[in-house]
Amino acid sequence: GQNIDQPTEMTATEGAIVQINCTYQTSGFNGLFWYQQHAGEAPTFLSYNVLDGLEEKGRFSSFLSRSKGYSYLLLKELQMKDSASYLCAVSGAGSYQLTFGKGTKLSVIP
Amino acid sequence: GAVVSQHPSRVICKSGTSVKIECRSLDFQATTMFWYRQFPKKSLMLMATSNEGSKATYEQGVEKDKFLINHASLTLSTLTVTSAHPEDSSFYICSARGASGRIDNEQFFGPGTRLTVL
Repeated sequence: GQNIDQPTEMTATEGAIVQINCTYQTSGFNGLFWYQQHAGEAPTFLSYNVLDGLEEKGRFSSFLSRSKGYSYLLLKELQMKDSASYLCAVSGAGSYQLTFGKGTKLSVIP
Repeated sequence: GAVVSQHPSRVICKSGTSVKIECRSLDFQATTMFWYRQFPKKSLMLMATSNEGSKATYEQGVEKDKFLINHASLTLSTLTVTSAHPEDSSFYICSARGASGRIDNEQFFGPGTRLTVL
């Protein structure tokens, strides 16, 4: 089976840095995705990790440790528009299906 | 590129009626399409996976006779909620996977359909 855990809610200040953690237990592994989802909208792709290490893309970075079943999404220079839910999703081995975590609702305050 | 559309974006229907939701890949051929359901403040739950020209594979607990999925072409999949009831009210999202993805197993999501059953 698949089990993905991430914090339910987080609050951070505009301009600051926030790290959203995700731990997973899956039967096989074929990559981990991070998506951003604003209320009432579809998820949008942020990052993808399949090998251990850090992937950086502008203000967003994502890290993966396969041996620990752990990933984090790092958001720098927070902006008010970053207030959204952040979904961690894992692709199982030999499968194109994604299993989503429950999402972390991030609130950015002035 | 890699745009997925859904229609309608919102639908309100009476209990007992059927509703069809369309999912289209606009600029690529989708070898696989996925249908998700999302309840308020909950994550996306996969309902079914469909490959063009074959029967959909439903997740455990999803009634295939209630949620009819047709994937007749490489750019179109439809989800029909038959005999809808208020508990079927939810946000339905489709996604598509195709050869144009930067990542082999990347899914491109449609904008979602908000279904309200009265």
